[in-house]
Amino acid sequence: EPEVTQTPSHQVTQMGQEVILRCVPISNHLYFYWYRQILGQKVEFLVSFYNNEISEKSEIFDDQFSVERPDGSNFTLKIRSTKLEDSAMYFCASSEAGLVNEQYFGPGTRLTVT
Amino acid sequence: GENVEQHPSTLSVQEGDSAVIKCTYSDSASNYFPWYKQELGKGPQLIIDIRSNVGEKKDQRIAVTLNKTAKHFSLHITETQPEDSAVYFCAASKGRRALTFGSGTRLQVQP
Repeated sequence: EPEVTQTPSHQVTQMGQEVILRCVPISNHLYFYWYRQILGQKVEFLVSFYNNEISEKSEIFDDQFSVERPDGSNFTLKIRSTKLEDSAMYFCASSEAGLVNEQYFGPGTRLTVT
Repeated sequence: GENVEQHPSTLSVQEGDSAVIKCTYSDSASNYFPWYKQELGKGPQLIIDIRSNVGEKKDQRIAVTLNKTAKHFSLHITETQPEDSAVYFCAASKGRRALTFGSGTRLQVQP
């Protein structure tokens, strides 16, 4: 069964450093998303991406964040200058084209900012 | 924006009993309501969803009901098994927009 994959599973970085989180969405999907989950809290939306551009973003997704689809398979989230409060699980999700909004999530990347 | 409230936050049942988790949403324009199961250390797994043109949907031991007038929807798990133990999240969205998640319910099924 096709699934969303994410790398790395765990990333430790120092405050102020840049990190890039990588995702490979399900191959025939066209909508891509990033969500995050701070430990013990609900899953929060960051950004959605379709047709090579951002289609929606939340207040969390400020100028420190960016997304890119550098090739036909990868979808990345970059945090330019990490802060302690960026520590969280980051989930990538993808969904098919059309009206269906079924989003399939990857296993996540645990980001720890020290 | 949309706000989704979920309760209870924890639920403990005996194996074989039923479990019910309830969510309410605020935006009457929301029309898609998925449920996710999250096991420890894993990403949310879509287990069932319902659209606003349907009042109930069932898949084996899992069912979801939707009351659009009251703006609430529920997950029903019958004949619970230990492997049903996990955190369950409800969510809501409008069209293709972002999912807004509830705060989660930790379900523990006691053998």
